[in-house]
Amino acid sequence: GESVGLHLPTLSVQEGDNSIINCAYSNSASDYFIWYKQESGKGPQFIIDIRSNMDKRQGQRVTVLLNKTVKHLSLQIAATQPGDSAVYFCAESSDYKLSFGAGTTVTVRA
Amino acid sequence: DAGVTQSPTHLIKTRGQHVTLRCSPISGHKSVSWYQQVLGQGPQFIFQYYEKEERGRGNFPDRFSARQFPNYSSELNVNALLLGDSALYLCASSRTGETEAFFGQGTRLTVV
Repeated sequence: GESVGLHLPTLSVQEGDNSIINCAYSNSASDYFIWYKQESGKGPQFIIDIRSNMDKRQGQRVTVLLNKTVKHLSLQIAATQPGDSAVYFCAESSDYKLSFGAGTTVTVRA
Repeated sequence: DAGVTQSPTHLIKTRGQHVTLRCSPISGHKSVSWYQQVLGQGPQFIFQYYEKEERGRGNFPDRFSARQFPNYSSELNVNALLLGDSALYLCASSRTGETEAFFGQGTRLTVV
């Protein structure tokens, strides 16, 4: 079975607002987590990653937060743009493989 | 630099047939992984190959097999196709010792 999962399958956000996408994982031994973005007809694209010894990591317009106490991961996108419309997956990395959740479809309203 | 390339991009096969999907990793990447993504779901791990040897296998039947060549390209083979094998098959490559995986655009397989 899957070891990671997302709370909501869809998210609609107004252009310019901030987006928050949530993910719960079950394997407390996981030490590395990644967020991927997948646009229609394309493969997953790496967004940002975080190791289990960190609580927060920032990239360009994106921030990933990790709460190991409740095994929760979130992706924050600042000033959401139309190009951010896609399916977002969190993934847990264990040795040689990635375990993905089902994904959250983000739709940006103009 | 070219990214991960997969061929073909689309494929239609009949139940019972077999299929071969191909992947060329990013130059310098020695590790190749295969994933199956059924519509509406996240990718599921099938295989990982490193230096031409199988390093890991997911929960897939023996109808699925793969190999990696000396130039680090890879093939995924599926025998006795079932309707349920219809999916997007993704290949990902990564550098030695690094966890960041770069995905290709996938091969869309439809079994009829």
